[in-house]
Amino acid sequence: GENVEQHPSTLSVQEGDSAVIKCTYSDSASNYFPWYKQELGKRPQLIIDIRSNVGEKKDQRIAVTLNKTAKHFSLHITETQPEDSAVYFCAASRSSNYKLTFGKGTLLTVNP
Amino acid sequence: NAGVTQTPKFQVLKTGQSMTLQCAQDMNHEYMSWYRQDPGMGLRLIHYSVGAGITDQGEVPNGYNVSRSTTEDFPLRLLSAAPSQTSVYFCASSLMTGRGYEQYFGPGTRLTVT
Repeated sequence: GENVEQHPSTLSVQEGDSAVIKCTYSDSASNYFPWYKQELGKRPQLIIDIRSNVGEKKDQRIAVTLNKTAKHFSLHITETQPEDSAVYFCAASRSSNYKLTFGKGTLLTVNP
Repeated sequence: NAGVTQTPKFQVLKTGQSMTLQCAQDMNHEYMSWYRQDPGMGLRLIHYSVGAGITDQGEVPNGYNVSRSTTEDFPLRLLSAAPSQTSVYFCASSLMTGRGYEQYFGPGTRLTVT
């Protein structure tokens, strides 16, 4: 089955800096890669996703890049703000498959 | 449109007790799933269902049962609670987008087994 590794497990940045979270996956047939944000005590919510026929996708301050050859993908947050503080999860699946495999999460802290 | 709802929000059980965590969605999604979330372990799939009458095991199914008699409801049953089942449980339903299956999570149930 699919295995997703996520790094780092914790990340602390100053407000205004950029943050990068990286994930690797094992199943070369995976082609759907979503990222979820979970604020303290809340449910995970989708913030951005990408399919493997696209190398990069941007949504305002958030971007995701994908290297299918190396089987890794990354989340980039620019101009971080305190409200970006949360746990971020990457995930992978085949787009034809219902089942997502999640990474273990990254706790991002943005210090004002 | 309430999305995905879960009850109860909090529950304390004694070892050996049984209970059912409720999950319902009003988005007519075919696919529903249950996850548990433990510190440092991410979200682990317990059971999932691809439609009414169809369920299957995920990564960590032991000690849990599910059934899916309607599209809307997907309850999770703990047969004989153990301290190792102390966790936060999330139900999710999925919508197929052009890219893949986007999951919508419920608010979670925090379960403590003493």
